[in-house]
Order: sequence, then C-alpha cells, then structure tokens
Amino acid sequence: GESVGLHLPTLSVQEGDNSIINCAYSNSASDYFIWYKQESGKGPQFIIDIRSNMDKRQGQRVTVLLNKTVKHLSLQIAATQPGDSAVYFCAENTPTGANNLFFGTGTRLTVIP
Amino acid sequence: GAGVSQSPSNKVTEKGKDVELRCDPISGHTALYWYRQSLGQGLEFLIYFQGNSAPDKSGLPSDRFSAERTGGSVSTLTIQRTQQEDSAVYLCASSGRAHQETQYFGPGTRLLVL
Repeated sequence: GESVGLHLPTLSVQEGDNSIINCAYSNSASDYFIWYKQESGKGPQFIIDIRSNMDKRQGQRVTVLLNKTVKHLSLQIAATQPGDSAVYFCAENTPTGANNLFFGTGTRLTVIP
Repeated sequence: GAGVSQSPSNKVTEKGKDVELRCDPISGHTALYWYRQSLGQGLEFLIYFQGNSAPDKSGLPSDRFSAERTGGSVSTLTIQRTQQEDSAVYLCASSGRAHQETQYFGPGTRLLVL
C-alpha cells in the first residue's frame, strides 16, 4: 500500500532563517501531493499542493519541490517566523480510486526567536 | 461559518459506550472525508462520501465504526462499544466534486475512552 514518510521528525530553526522539510513517498503512481500545517489543538491547514506534471511550485514564502525520480517532496519556508511553528504533514493521492489522502507522520518545526 | 465545523470538540466516554461525532462541511462541498489521528501520528483515512453515498469505506477499522451522510451535507461518525484504542482525534474534511480538489479540515473531535 501507499507509504509516506518524513526524514526528520523535528526541526529547529532560528527566526528569519529558511526551513526545509523533507518527505519521501513510496507509491510511484501518486500524482498529487499536498503540504498541511497543523498547530496544536487545530485541524490541518492547507499550505500548498503540486501535481506530478510539475517539479516546483511557489506560494507566499513557501515553495514545494517534487523529485519524481527519487520520490521525494520538500517544503521550503522562507524567512521562518514564530508563527510557522507547527507540525507539517505531506500527503499524497493517486489518480484512480478514492480521493482520500495518505499522510506521513509529520515533522515538528520549532522557530527559535 | 465558512469552514468545516465539528462537534463536540471534546468527548470523554466510558469503555463500551457508543459515541456520535458530527461534521458540518463547507457549504456546497459534495465530498466529505473522515480521518483519525492518534497522538503524535499522521492522519489515517476512515471513510469518504460523495454526496450521500460512501464509495470507499476501506479505512473503517472495524464493524463498530459506521458513518452516514444525509442531505448531502452533515455527516455523523458512530463508534459503538468504544474501546480505549479508539481514543484519538477524529478529523473531518470536505472538498468539491472534482478529483483531487483541496480538502479543507475541521478542528476535530478529541475522543477519550476511559
């Protein structure tokens, strides 16, 4: 079955630095990937998504990179702020079947003021 | 409100009791999903609705779990004869009809089975 995992369970960065959160996926058929941010006591919040026909997508202060060759996904956050402290999940979806997402375990990002 | 809402926000119950968790999706969203999140873990898919029908129930962990959706809107997840291992956060998400539209999550219901 699908498997989505993260290389680093925790990440601490200084305020103002850039953050990179990595994710590996195992299902080569996955064609849609999403990053969610989850703050304590809240539901996951959509950050950015990317489809497999792209290798990079940029949002406001965030960039997602997709490397299909090695089945690797990353989220880059520029000029990290204290409000970015949260758990970040990557999720994947395949082109057939249900729309449900398969989530990784998550990486906790802590921003040090 | 404009987002997905869930109730109750917290639920404490005794082992063996039944519980009902409610989800109100974003207005107009035809797809609705239930996920479960155990402490410190990622989200585990439970069930998916398109309208009132559930084409995929593959994630329900046992026959004690069931869900329904009426009027293409509100959904209820029912857990019968709760067990301690059912303790988790139950999250609901909704999206539009098209495949792979963005799923928007509610705040979740934190269930504790004593």
